[in-house]
Amino acid sequence: KAGVTQTPRYLIKTRGQQVTLSCSPISGHRSVSWYQQTPGQGLQFLFEYFSETQRNKGNFPGRFSGRQFSNSRSEMNVSTLELGDSALYLCASSLDGTSGNTIYFGEGSWLTVV
Amino acid sequence: AQTVTQSQPEMSVQEAETVTLSCTYDTSESDYYLFWYKQPPSRQMILVIRQEAYKQQNATENRFSVNFQKAAKSFSLKISDSQLGDAAMYFCAYRSILNAGNNRKLIWGLGTSLAVNP
Repeated sequence: KAGVTQTPRYLIKTRGQQVTLSCSPISGHRSVSWYQQTPGQGLQFLFEYFSETQRNKGNFPGRFSGRQFSNSRSEMNVSTLELGDSALYLCASSLDGTSGNTIYFGEGSWLTVV
Repeated sequence: AQTVTQSQPEMSVQEAETVTLSCTYDTSESDYYLFWYKQPPSRQMILVIRQEAYKQQNATENRFSVNFQKAAKSFSLKISDSQLGDAAMYFCAYRSILNAGNNRKLIWGLGTSLAVNP
């Protein structure tokens, strides 16, 4: 059974550009969450999607957005990139996002903004 | 709001020895889940162990066990017979048992970097 797949794994962008990251959850999983990991702030919750609907959103500016498709794959987009957006972006999937679910993570997408 | 604190940024242990990583948390909820995740250099978060707060028995997974002290809001991870492959960042995380809105997320500590010396 394939795990959580994130693409691209590494990317470098310039300030002001936008970026789209993709996440394919484990087959059968319908909940996808995104986290930002930085050395200073640690892991911060971005948002959670279930059945193409955003169910929860973290405390990030509107430049951070996401969506989920009917096959449960999810994308997150960051517009007008800033240097501080440089981070590891982790995607997590679970069956339906309820508290008893086991949560599985992908290997992350490393974003560097220069 | 819930918080998770890991007071040991770095730890080291000799191969085959035992090490304990500390985690404390703050919550007003009575039921919740606590987790330890391992993040090796590949950066993939791997679940090590999970504890349901309503269960008094400490969770165990092979060489990994926890000491869950609910009243003290403490959740430490003990690694026995440490192996070189245990070297990684270890994160403690909290998840509310509630499923409404803002509860639907993991709250993380800042992590403990564990080195295993041969």
